[in-house]
Amino acid sequence: GAVVSQHPSWVICKSGTSVKIECRSLDFQATTMFWYRQFPKQSLMLMATSNEGSKATYEQGVEKDKFLINHASLTLSTLTVTSAHPEDSSFYICSARSSHLNTDTQYFGPGTRLTVL
Amino acid sequence: GESVGLHLPTLSVQEGDNSIINCAYSNSASDYFIWYKQESGKGPQFIIDIRSNMDKRQGQRVTVLLNKTVKHLSLQIAATQPGDSAVYFCAESAGGYQKVTFGTGTKLQVIP
Repeated sequence: GAVVSQHPSWVICKSGTSVKIECRSLDFQATTMFWYRQFPKQSLMLMATSNEGSKATYEQGVEKDKFLINHASLTLSTLTVTSAHPEDSSFYICSARSSHLNTDTQYFGPGTRLTVL
Repeated sequence: GESVGLHLPTLSVQEGDNSIINCAYSNSASDYFIWYKQESGKGPQFIIDIRSNMDKRQGQRVTVLLNKTVKHLSLQIAATQPGDSAVYFCAESAGGYQKVTFGTGTKLQVIP
């Protein structure tokens, strides 16, 4: 149980375009989802916390207008990187916390590798 | 952005030996701690967690030790196997529905 999926697993796009990444909890309801970014050989950096039905809470330094987050249902959150630039190339990982399982444990998706040309 | 030349601390262990990965945390208010394993190109995988009212917790082949006095966390892996090779992250949270903050990570290399 507690499986989180992401789609796509990798994406290559041109500079200036927008990319949408989906995060789904497959076998549990996730009241809270988190979006992280990870550069090579670095740790995961939290970008934002997404609660179902409400606006996301962004970490300091993360532009909310550039990284649009939508958490419309208890099993789906999306991250849209708008007007992507090469410096946005990174590994984007989501995680989900269940309202019924261990409430403190976050279950992570497999990540999405974004390359902006 | 990316830091040029950044290297993760690396621990090299002979197959069959025990591994100990250490982590220092900074937030005195943290009361929930987690160890994650991340293989190349994949998302983090939950290994074991511990709450601040405990100082030791054991799982299958893994043990987490917590020393709140010096804000130190360790992960012990018994009889390390090649499949244990990965980057290990400790993470801390102030509990409840608070966010989780990741440490810098340690790369574990298992020598066959």
